[in-house]
Amino acid sequence: EIVLTQSPGTLSLSPGERATLSCRASQSVSSSYLAWYQQKPGQAPRLLIYGASSRATGIPDRFSGSGSGTDFTLTISRLEPEDFAVYYCQQYGSSPTFGQGTKVEIK
Amino acid sequence: EVQLVESGGGLVQPGGSLRLSCAASGFTFSSYWMSWVRQAPGKGLEWVANIKQDGSEKYYVDSVKGRFTISRDNAKNSLYLQMNSLRAEDSAVYYCARDLSRGWFWVYWGQGTLVTVSS
Repeated sequence: EIVLTQSPGTLSLSPGERATLSCRASQSVSSSYLAWYQQKPGQAPRLLIYGASSRATGIPDRFSGSGSGTDFTLTISRLEPEDFAVYYCQQYGSSPTFGQGTKVEIK
Repeated sequence: EVQLVESGGGLVQPGGSLRLSCAASGFTFSSYWMSWVRQAPGKGLEWVANIKQDGSEKYYVDSVKGRFTISRDNAKNSLYLQMNSLRAEDSAVYYCARDLSRGWFWVYWGQGTLVTVSS
């Protein structure tokens, strides 16, 4: 099983700031099969990024993904009020696993 | 519009059984792998099970193997999760989810159904 470790656990930022979220895998994720989701309280997750860097339909271009192998990053270039939420990475190169999440909160 | 609507959750005693259902609409159900993903209260996400378009392949997370069974009825556009020998740690919101046919990541999710295992 591939274990994904996200850091930091909580990110305290102000609207307009840049957010950088990290996801590290315990072994290489094949073919960059890594996705990112956003989840708000009481809602289902929303797919943001797949294939490490491809934005899902309708996702604003302030969200970008990068990385390969064992190190991946989700960047939100300028935080909007609606971006404060919990973010999960997920690998699908083998049996799917998720990271534990990073909460982006308003500073 | 793709819609996934789960039902069947509730309170069940440890060792008991429950069957979850997911009604799908807005797409050709028989053309897609389908999945169950769960989230314990206040916790992260965990993939539970996948089933191939024709039901010929099924995969499970280790913690539910031998206790849970995923199935589907393409004629009824429905996905199911039969859960037996339930444990407290199975308590979670269970989501039905569909991928993009590019791998096991999920773009469409239901609203979830809550399963509580407690005496």
